Amino acid sequence: AQSVAQPEDQVNVAEGNPLTVKCTYSVSGNPYLFWYVQYPNRGLQFLLKYITGDNLVKGSYGFEAEFNKSQTSFHLKKPSALVSDSALYFCAVRDRKAGSYQLTFGKGTKLSVIP
Amino acid sequence: GAGVSQTPSNKVTEKGKYVELRCDPISGHTALYWYRQSLGQGPEFLIYFQGTGAADDSGLPNDRFFAVRPEGSVSTLKIQRTERGDSAVYLCASSLTFRGTENTEAFFGQGTRLTVV
Repeated sequence: AQSVAQPEDQVNVAEGNPLTVKCTYSVSGNPYLFWYVQYPNRGLQFLLKYITGDNLVKGSYGFEAEFNKSQTSFHLKKPSALVSDSALYFCAVRDRKAGSYQLTFGKGTKLSVIP
Repeated sequence: GAGVSQTPSNKVTEKGKYVELRCDPISGHTALYWYRQSLGQGPEFLIYFQGTGAADDSGLPNDRFFAVRPEGSVSTLKIQRTERGDSAVYLCASSLTFRGTENTEAFFGQGTRLTVV
């Protein structure tokens, strides 16, 4: 079984400050890891993914995430937050096992960037 | 089309009625997924199609739920004898997924908000 934990329901950060949204995962094999963002009344939008290689992956809108295998974490980061980054963020995991295409999502973290 | 299209965007139905939710994936995407998102929760997997066949339907909660993709493109999620607990946002996604591309990301539609009264 695979699972994702996002320990913070809400993260508040001042505009211009760095932000971190936490994610830890559990999977039997090696993972594919994803971050998605959801704006109000909009569908999920892909931000970035970890497949293999460099532990630091860069994605859309200046976001990046760091894969840490020993801590089974994949935290989302941005050096300088914008008010427009305020949204709901979801971490997701998929097992690398062949034939496994099911994404398991965390509960989501609401990010509020305060002007 | 440019993105995944889902219709209707909102559906209100009475308890016990039958509903169909439609998904039109991105052109050329062989893989199609249905997820359900309840209030305050992340999306939960329902079913995955590769082409016309359901490759994994382990997330369907019971036999009231059924999905088809007869021509390998548009998919319909069907719910019989709806219950108030079925109220949620139903999300459809598609991706390019075939051997060697298992790591491709899924692109989501805006969802259908189903309310059972």
